[in-house]
Amino acid sequence: RKEVEQDPGPFNVPEGATVAFNCTYSNSASQSFFWYRQDCRKEPKLLMSVYSSGNEDGRFTAQLNRASQYISLLIRDSKLSDSATYLCVVNIITGNQFYFGTGTSLTVIP
Amino acid sequence: DTEVTQTPKHLVMGMTNKKSLKCEQHMGHRAMYWYKQKAKKPPELMFVYSYEKLSINESVPSRFSPECPNSSLLNLHLHALQPEDSALYLCASSEGLAGVNEQYFGPGTRLTVT
Repeated sequence: RKEVEQDPGPFNVPEGATVAFNCTYSNSASQSFFWYRQDCRKEPKLLMSVYSSGNEDGRFTAQLNRASQYISLLIRDSKLSDSATYLCVVNIITGNQFYFGTGTSLTVIP
Repeated sequence: DTEVTQTPKHLVMGMTNKKSLKCEQHMGHRAMYWYKQKAKKPPELMFVYSYEKLSINESVPSRFSPECPNSSLLNLHLHALQPEDSALYLCASSEGLAGVNEQYFGPGTRLTVT
């Protein structure tokens, strides 16, 4: 069983749409949770850390459900520049291990 | 400053060559990582250094040899690579402490083995 499961998509949405990505993790000892964005042929860049109470940064909202071992990312009012692959990442502090989902591809269409 | 730097940006090497990839961070992070990433796949962990000691080796072939000369530097020595080793090699660092432990990536070295 994979540590982190993520729907690979692709998601093709029109500009202005709201889109949600989901991710589940298997290890209940997981301590930190993140969403990264990766553009084609570039490195992953940290988009948001995900806190237990949920957190919002502009058009982006991240939520964590520890009981269901589930993380989500909501993007409102999608822009063309949001087109990228979104990676769900889980950290287990023991061994400083980070586990990656497969990534979800998003294309925002004019 | 959340910058991780990597050199070179691009590298083409033959199967008999020896080369090294370099990574540097000045964020005081105590954990550093090497990942390999193939197209349309997530990064695949190779090595983790924690407090300058190798803590994880994900069964990486010995033709890849990591080195951590000090807390800011991480090298990956390459020797006798195969064409299937062609990939983007990413270095990353994190605080290595309990709590929210964000990981920052360098821009990567795009390696082609001919």
